[in-house]
Amino acid sequence: GAGVSQSPSNKVTEKGKDVELRCDPISGHTALYWYRQRLGQGLEFLIYFQGNSAPDKSGLPSDRFSAERTGESVSTLTIQRTQQEDSAVYLCASSLSIGESYEQYFGPGTRLTVT
Amino acid sequence: AQSVTQLDSHVSVSEGTPVLLRCNYSSSYSPSLFWYVQHPNKGLQLLLKYTSAATLVKGINGFEAEFKKSETSFHLTKPSAHMSDAAEYFCVVTLFSGGYNKLIFGAGTRLAVHP
Repeated sequence: GAGVSQSPSNKVTEKGKDVELRCDPISGHTALYWYRQRLGQGLEFLIYFQGNSAPDKSGLPSDRFSAERTGESVSTLTIQRTQQEDSAVYLCASSLSIGESYEQYFGPGTRLTVT
Repeated sequence: AQSVTQLDSHVSVSEGTPVLLRCNYSSSYSPSLFWYVQHPNKGLQLLLKYTSAATLVKGINGFEAEFKKSETSFHLTKPSAHMSDAAEYFCVVTLFSGGYNKLIFGAGTRLAVHP
């Protein structure tokens, strides 16, 4: 079946512009996660959704970052007034539910470059 | 606090020789541990996971890892490397926080396989 998809695959934007990244989870997966991967580093947790509720927003780097999810479907991560340090690969994952017994399935990521 | 350290940022082996990717963890309770693999331009894929059952865990593609509590290690091994094993490998520990298990990623080890 279809896996997690993300769009766009690549995004180049000018400093100060807003960007919106999209994630389509696997159908039926109630949990959805956003991570950031800076060059040469591991993944950094940003936020997760259980359904359309985001109980843990502690990983969002600043108030320029926000995310929303429509029901148990598509999620968008929005970065306002982008800065050069926002350049990274943004990865989305989904799982059947929360908890360690549920594997997280990752999308291919969106590579964001802020010039 | 949970953390994970991957001791080598790059490992290079010849095809047909053994692979050893080292990982040490820090955890305030009995952890769940994972190894993920990331091939170029592809999403992260779960290789194997340890969740307090058998200490020797077998994963996909001939990989296995041994949980050693006394050494706080979870090294990944494979008896004979294949060219297709060339990828980035991440050691991951879970942190139970905010009602769900958050994945804490190591910085990654890039494995190169030479003919």
